[in-house]
Amino acid sequence: DTAVSQTPKYLVTQMGNDKSIKCEQNLGHDTMYWYKQDSKKFLKIMFSYNNKELIINETVPNRFSPKSPDKAHLNLHINSLELGDSAVYFCASSRRQQLNEKLFFGSGTQLSVL
Amino acid sequence: EDKVVQSPLSLVVHEGDTVTLNCSYEVTNFRSLLWYKQEKKAPTFLFMLTSSGIEKKSGRLSSILDKKELFSILNITATQTGDSAIYLCALANNAGNMLTFGGGTRLMVKP
Repeated sequence: DTAVSQTPKYLVTQMGNDKSIKCEQNLGHDTMYWYKQDSKKFLKIMFSYNNKELIINETVPNRFSPKSPDKAHLNLHINSLELGDSAVYFCASSRRQQLNEKLFFGSGTQLSVL
Repeated sequence: EDKVVQSPLSLVVHEGDTVTLNCSYEVTNFRSLLWYKQEKKAPTFLFMLTSSGIEKKSGRLSSILDKKELFSILNITATQTGDSAIYLCALANNAGNMLTFGGGTRLMVKP
């Protein structure tokens, strides 16, 4: 009965590879997000989708491409992985766009690029 | 770019101690300030503050916002080992569609 679930939990890969992280929420929320948490624990928003439409794209390299097939899913595809992409990526959702304060986070995907 | 700054970076206390965590910010126009607790994985919501001077309380945790001096504090009384976590402060923009997080305070409570 997990509210926001993301897979995989851990991802170890070589530089240059392409990888995807999947996220699903069963809360019926309209808005979903991807956040990146770096080694200094700063959580920074990457993308926000509202009802499958891209709302926020925070100067993220275009190697990162989110895809929202429906409002319950927001996947993140990363091309040509670089060392600096190593971080924990959190998916989150909120009931609607203007209520992003009430965020529900997934448990994170720890990405290590070697 | 550090619009939300938390202090201290880390803190080690013993069970029963009281701690005060600080969050200062530069932005004057925002919708609300939030506190999250991050244990092993996902941050979980603690408080949302919108008005200055009104304390929010939940058990041993309380928080208050000072919009004049641009800071918020999170107090934890009678700390327990289960309070060990990273505490994150975040500002929600006026549109309510983006959170800007601080770097967090890592709290360790020793038995």
